[in-house]
Amino acid sequence: AQKVTQAQTEISVVEKEDVTLDCVYETRDTTYYLFWYKQPPSGELVFLIRRNSFDEQNEISGRYSWNFQKSTSSFNFTITASQVVDSAVYFCALSEAPNTDKLIFGTGTRLQVFP
Amino acid sequence: DVKVTQSSRYLVKRTGEKVFLECVQDMDHENMFWYRQDPGLGLRLIYFSYDVKMKEKGDIPEGYSVSREKKERFSLILESASTNQTSMYLCASRWTVFGQETQYFGPGTRLLVL
Repeated sequence: AQKVTQAQTEISVVEKEDVTLDCVYETRDTTYYLFWYKQPPSGELVFLIRRNSFDEQNEISGRYSWNFQKSTSSFNFTITASQVVDSAVYFCALSEAPNTDKLIFGTGTRLQVFP
Repeated sequence: DVKVTQSSRYLVKRTGEKVFLECVQDMDHENMFWYRQDPGLGLRLIYFSYDVKMKEKGDIPEGYSVSREKKERFSLILESASTNQTSMYLCASRWTVFGQETQYFGPGTRLLVL
């Protein structure tokens, strides 16, 4: 069955620290997609990244980077040199082909960055 | 920019009332979705729609219905609101670019049922 686990409920760091948010997924499909979303206090989910199961290359976007490892079924998200504006709830999600519309979300990790 | 709007940010209703939550997207997307978000449970899919007048049940459709009379508007209806429907409701629209599909979300509606 599909499942996404974000074991870290809440993380607190001080500004400029690096922080990694963990995401472990379960799926029986060979074709699937993984996502990360950010939900700031305003409430709107902001799309960060989409990765398909055939592309295990790590991705870097500014201070954000993602480490996709099929061997451990993980898709971890690292923020380098965290800032107060990074404070939010972060969700990892999974969808499987062919019904890629159905997103299965993890329970989220609340990140608090203190100045 | 993709724009998904929801009619209300906060809503307070009484048990038994009929509640309409409206969602509008301005990008001519065919696929739209309604989720509810609860602490410790993440987001769960209530209903989605592939096109006008089409709807599909998600994981937790009980107690809800939807309406899609126009492509840009997808409404979630609580026929008789109950306190266990107090939640954050998020609407999403699917964007496909270069064969990649991504859901974009509205700001959410926090519903309190008394």
